Amino acid sequence: DQQVKQNSPSLSVQEGRISILNCDYTNSMFDYFLWYKKYPAEGPTFLISISSIKDKNEDGRFTVFLNKSAKHLSLHIVPSQPGDSAVYFCAAMGGGSNYKLTFGKGTLLTVNP
Amino acid sequence: DVKVTQSSRYLVKRTGEKVFLECVQDMDHENMFWYRQDPGLGLRLIYFSYDVKMKEKGDIPEGYSVSREKKERFSLILESASTNQTSMYLCASRVPGALYNEQFFGPGTRLTVL
Repeated sequence: DQQVKQNSPSLSVQEGRISILNCDYTNSMFDYFLWYKKYPAEGPTFLISISSIKDKNEDGRFTVFLNKSAKHLSLHIVPSQPGDSAVYFCAAMGGGSNYKLTFGKGTLLTVNP
Repeated sequence: DVKVTQSSRYLVKRTGEKVFLECVQDMDHENMFWYRQDPGLGLRLIYFSYDVKMKEKGDIPEGYSVSREKKERFSLILESASTNQTSMYLCASRVPGALYNEQFFGPGTRLTVL
C-alpha cells in the first residue's frame, strides 16, 4: 500500500511562472515531510522540509505548504527556472520510525524557456 | 559539506554473480541506508543501519544483504544477482536529530545484470 502518493508523473511550466507539485499521504502518524530534487545520473538532493506543527515553510523561491486535515502537501517554486527541471520526490517520516523516509514515486518537472 | 561516495557509477554483472556495492560517508553519521530507484516506482528502501553492526530490513530486502563493520562504510551485497535487480542503487546517510532530518545521498550506482 502506497503511503506517499505523487499522482502527477510529470508537469510542464513556462519559465518565470509558478510550479506546484503535489503530494498526498495516508499515514496520519507521519510528522515530518521533505522534498528532494533529483537530476538524471545524480543522487537526490534535499530541498526543503516541514514539520507537522507548521503549515508553511519558505526558503527563497521554494515554499512547502502542509494541510494536515487533508493529508496533503505541496511544493511551490516561484519563479520557475529551466535549471529547476528535475524529478521531485516527496518523502515522509514518522509513523513509528525515526529513521525511515517513505518516498513518493516522483514528479518530473520540465521548465520551458 | 557532507560527502557520500559510492564505489562505482556503472556496473555490469552476469546472472548468478555475487555483487558488492560499497558506500562511504565522511561525516561520522550513525544512520546509513540503501535504496533502489526504478522508473515509476520511486525510491524504495532495501536495508538500513542505525549504527555499526546494526541493520534492519527495509521494504524490499529479498535477495540482498548488508554489512556495516565500520561507521563510515555500508555495503550492499547481492548474493546471486538476477536480472530483476537491474536498477539504480542509492546510498544515503544521516545523523539522528539533524535540524532538517534530511538524508544525504551518494551519486548512485547504475547496475545492469545480464
